[in-house]
Amino acid sequence: SQQGEEDPQALSIQEGENATMNCSYKTSINNLQWYRQNSGRGLVHLILIRSNEREKHSGRLRVTLDTSKKSSSLLITASRAADTASYFCATDLIQGAQKLVFGQGTRLTINP
Amino acid sequence: DVKVTQSSRYLVKRTGEKVFLECVQDMDHENMFWYRQDPGLGLRLIYFSYDVKMKEKGDIPEGYSVSREKKERFSLILESASTNQTSMYLCASSPYRQGAYGYTFGSGTRLTVV
Repeated sequence: SQQGEEDPQALSIQEGENATMNCSYKTSINNLQWYRQNSGRGLVHLILIRSNEREKHSGRLRVTLDTSKKSSSLLITASRAADTASYFCATDLIQGAQKLVFGQGTRLTINP
Repeated sequence: DVKVTQSSRYLVKRTGEKVFLECVQDMDHENMFWYRQDPGLGLRLIYFSYDVKMKEKGDIPEGYSVSREKKERFSLILESASTNQTSMYLCASSPYRQGAYGYTFGSGTRLTVV
């Protein structure tokens, strides 16, 4: 099974609403990262949160990390049509040979 | 400004052909990675490299090989293409070995094997 699993698999909201996506993982991590992928393109790095951090902000993005529950959430506030994309979490495992393991992603659709 | 360049956006090859996918980065990154992305399976790591002339197998290396003769270039080779290698291939790079930085991805190559 996947190390990082996003929930929900798909999310559709109205423009201006907030979008929340969750990621769960199984083993201890050095850090957790979130990426965005527009349709048919490469992934773009959004934000990185280290295992000793609990919350991080970047513009309209807010990421939380709960290592006791092995979970993270990505909140996008005041969503825009341009936020329509797939969002992936990726974990840098402590015993993972220094490579990222990606989840299957959440497909976010922002309706005008 | 493009940082990681994959040589082709779309590629169609025949079964049994030897296929080369090229990736070049201009950020002087030590680490480079090849992933494939398939619906319902997410991104799966094929091979990665921490330095010139070194390579390590990822989760699904079978049917693939790689070459890193120069720091900026990491090539993925399909020795004998098969239809089950039809996929989106993504190259990425990152600085340092500790994995404490985000990856920079190329735009991807959508390969179809017929």
